[in-house]
Amino acid sequence: NAGVTQTPKFQVLKTGQSMTLQCAQDMNHEYMSWYRQDPGMGLRLIHYSVGAGITDQGEVPNGYNVSRSTTEDFPLRLLSAAPSQTSVYFCASSRKATDTQYFGPGTRLTVL
Amino acid sequence: RKEVEQDPGPFNVPEGATVAFNCTYSNSASQSFFWYRQDCRKEPKLLMSVYSSGNEDGRFTAQLNRASQYISLLIRDSKLSDSATYLCVVRSGDSNYQLIWGAGTKLIIKP
Repeated sequence: NAGVTQTPKFQVLKTGQSMTLQCAQDMNHEYMSWYRQDPGMGLRLIHYSVGAGITDQGEVPNGYNVSRSTTEDFPLRLLSAAPSQTSVYFCASSRKATDTQYFGPGTRLTVL
Repeated sequence: RKEVEQDPGPFNVPEGATVAFNCTYSNSASQSFFWYRQDCRKEPKLLMSVYSSGNEDGRFTAQLNRASQYISLLIRDSKLSDSATYLCVVRSGDSNYQLIWGAGTKLIIKP
């Protein structure tokens, strides 16, 4: 099993550009989530999904969209990138919401 | 006030020493508690869950004090490989079971 995979590993965007961060898991997990990690702060939940076709907002959803058309994939879309979205983004999955979460390797995003 | 607070450190500790971290949480309805480990520029990984009765995993001991709303992690006989950031995590007591993350305590083990 590959576990949780994320692409790209690094990305530089200009303000106003859009892009999609990819996340996939091969463990047949129902629960998937996106976090951002900023210096001096804990991970903050952006969006999460409890199963295919179901998504919900986390603590910091503004500026991001998600969809969950399959169990395996949970892409995160930045609609119009802003410098405040410079961060490290982690995708995580678990069998259900209360189980141990497994994280992908992260995407380091810089918005100029 | 942050929901989960940790001393950011860094804690500089000689190899073989014992080191302890504390973490406080503000929501008394929190249900579950965890310590994660994060190596530099890597993803967080679960180190151990924290149970009310306290639990031990090799050189690591975790304790929970619900009355004072804090969690502790004790590392005995520290190794160079223990150098990492330790993240305190609390599961929300509301209906969506979200994880609330501390900012982490950085530990550096010196030879």
